[in-house]
Amino acid sequence: EPEVTQTPSHQVTQMGQEVILRCVPISNHLYFYWYRQILGQKVEFLVSFYNNEISEKSEIFDDQFSVERPDGSNFTLKIRSTKLEDSAMYFCASTSGLVGELFFGEGSRLTVL
Amino acid sequence: GIQVEQSPPDLILQEGANSTLRCNFSDSVNNLQWFHQNPWGQLINLFYIPSGTKQNGRLSATTVATERYSLLYISSSQTTDSGVYFCAVRGGSEKLVFGKGTKLTVNP
Repeated sequence: EPEVTQTPSHQVTQMGQEVILRCVPISNHLYFYWYRQILGQKVEFLVSFYNNEISEKSEIFDDQFSVERPDGSNFTLKIRSTKLEDSAMYFCASTSGLVGELFFGEGSRLTVL
Repeated sequence: GIQVEQSPPDLILQEGANSTLRCNFSDSVNNLQWFHQNPWGQLINLFYIPSGTKQNGRLSATTVATERYSLLYISSSQTTDSGVYFCAVRGGSEKLVFGKGTKLTVNP
């Protein structure tokens, strides 16, 4: 069964460092998303991406964040200068259509020291 | 934006018991999904159920879209059912909005 894959599963970084989280969405999907979950809290929307551009973003998704689809398969989330409060689980998701089921990856746990 | 309320926030059961988790939402939706977050933090898709009823083994779900709620039923609960159950909905925008979840603990 097709699945969304994310790497790394866990990353530890120093405050101020750049981090890139990678995702391979399901191959025939067209809409891609990043969500995050701070420990013990609910899952929050960060950004959606369609047709090679951001289609919607939340207040959390400020200038420190960027997304890219550098080739036909990968979808990346970059945090330019990490802060302590960026420590969270980051989930990638994809779907084939606007009203379809979203499929989530297993998450990338980011720890900022 | 659309609001999602889940109840109860916490639920403790003995193994073998049945339970019902509720999700209320504030506006019409075109997508509703239930997830189980396991102890490792992974989100497991349980149901995609914008309307109607579905069953998968010991789990079933019903969404009454006109009344803006969904129910997740767990029968004959097992310790492996423990974790957090999230309801998430999508309305007029692209994003899926999550509730705060129900933390389920099943004791042996």
